[in-house]
Amino acid sequence: DTAVSQTPKYLVTQMGNDKSIKCEQNLGHDTMYWYKQDSKKFLKIMFSYNNKELIINETVPNRFSPKSPDKAHLNLHINSLELGDSAVYFCASSFPPGRVTGELFFGEGSRLTVL
Amino acid sequence: GENVEQHPSTLSVQEGDSAVIKCTYSDSASNYFPWYKQELGKRPQLIIDIRSNVGEKKDQRIAVTLNKTAKHFSLHITETQPEDSAVYFCAATTRGTTSGTYKYIFGTGTRLKVLA
Repeated sequence: DTAVSQTPKYLVTQMGNDKSIKCEQNLGHDTMYWYKQDSKKFLKIMFSYNNKELIINETVPNRFSPKSPDKAHLNLHINSLELGDSAVYFCASSFPPGRVTGELFFGEGSRLTVL
Repeated sequence: GENVEQHPSTLSVQEGDSAVIKCTYSDSASNYFPWYKQELGKRPQLIIDIRSNVGEKKDQRIAVTLNKTAKHFSLHITETQPEDSAVYFCAATTRGTTSGTYKYIFGTGTRLKVLA
């Protein structure tokens, strides 16, 4: 199936731990994103990569480190997890907005709970 | 910085009535305005979009209008049904900090409840 897929779907961990979320898209898109959705449902952009190059980095603590090994993959690693990191993290992909505007496709989300 | 304001935050309507959700944006360079529907526990999914060279677009019971001068755009749902109950997000593409880049900025969401 063509889609944006991310793993794991659920993640429960203790404060101070390090965790990773993986994302893959097979839609042929050039641009991938990480969004954070908090308990109030706000969708806030964290990072955007275009063809493996970081183009958007929104005042996110440097405990969060994205990595894009190729344009179909964008992973998110989080160090020293804090309670406030609990949220649903959505990966998304699209053609580059502004040049070829088009639909933003979201993954199913990864619900992170930090205890 | 750039932002997208969305109102109302919650909206309850009787089945069959219309619902209107309004957004305003700040970046005059924004050129694409999608609307997403997010059902409980699911991913946001595109329901309709409009580009800056168009003033209105309709798809069955859903329509979007855009006023570029006022930097307003709105979602209109007619003949609402219980399955329309969800959180709706507007979005706008806005310039990124790196030259030539754009990003999608989302409104704060509207929780729509359609009462049977």
